[in-house]
Amino acid sequence: AQSVAQPEDQVNVAEGNPLTVKCTYSVSGNPYLFWYVQYPNRGLQFLLKYITGDNLVKGSYGFEAEFNKSQTSFHLKKPSALVSDSALYFCAVRPPGGGYNKLIFGAGTRLAVHP
Amino acid sequence: IAGITQAPTSQILAAGRRMTLRCTQDMRHNAMYWYRQDLGLGLRLIHYSNTAGTTGKGEVPDGYSVSRANTDDFPLTLASAVPSQTSVYFCASSDELAGMQFFGPGTRLTVL
Repeated sequence: AQSVAQPEDQVNVAEGNPLTVKCTYSVSGNPYLFWYVQYPNRGLQFLLKYITGDNLVKGSYGFEAEFNKSQTSFHLKKPSALVSDSALYFCAVRPPGGGYNKLIFGAGTRLAVHP
Repeated sequence: IAGITQAPTSQILAAGRRMTLRCTQDMRHNAMYWYRQDLGLGLRLIHYSNTAGTTGKGEVPDGYSVSRANTDDFPLTLASAVPSQTSVYFCASSDELAGMQFFGPGTRLTVL
């Protein structure tokens, strides 16, 4: 079955330190990959996507993600975390031929950045 | 430009009652979606519509129905609400070329 795994329910990091939020997927072929962020009581906001090309994708708010095909991973990273980055982060996959932009979401990872 | 609007923002509903959640987009996107978000489960697709006049079932369609009479509106109806439908509901739309979905602010529904 096609799935997306975010192995960490919560990630804690000190402000100014680098952060990584992990995502792995189980989808055959070459999927589209996305990261979304959700702030409290808000809808999801698009951060970045990978479709093809360079494995390192840069997105909004200084975030980037690295696509690794052999490990079927798409980890979200930021060199220096801010307290304002604290939010819920979702990884999502659009399987190839999976229908009109239908996405499979991970369960989400809560990022807590401490001053 | 509002993007995607949802109404109501929140609602408390007695079990057995009928409820329609409204969703409107002004981006002229062909595709629209309804998700429910539950703690520890992420977002699960309820129904989707590739274009006006067509709809399809997602991962968790039971107890829900949708219609797509025009491009802008995609209402979600609970014919007879049950407590397990307590959730936060998100509407989304997408442009095929862009590849990503745009989300509304959500409706928090509590069924007692």
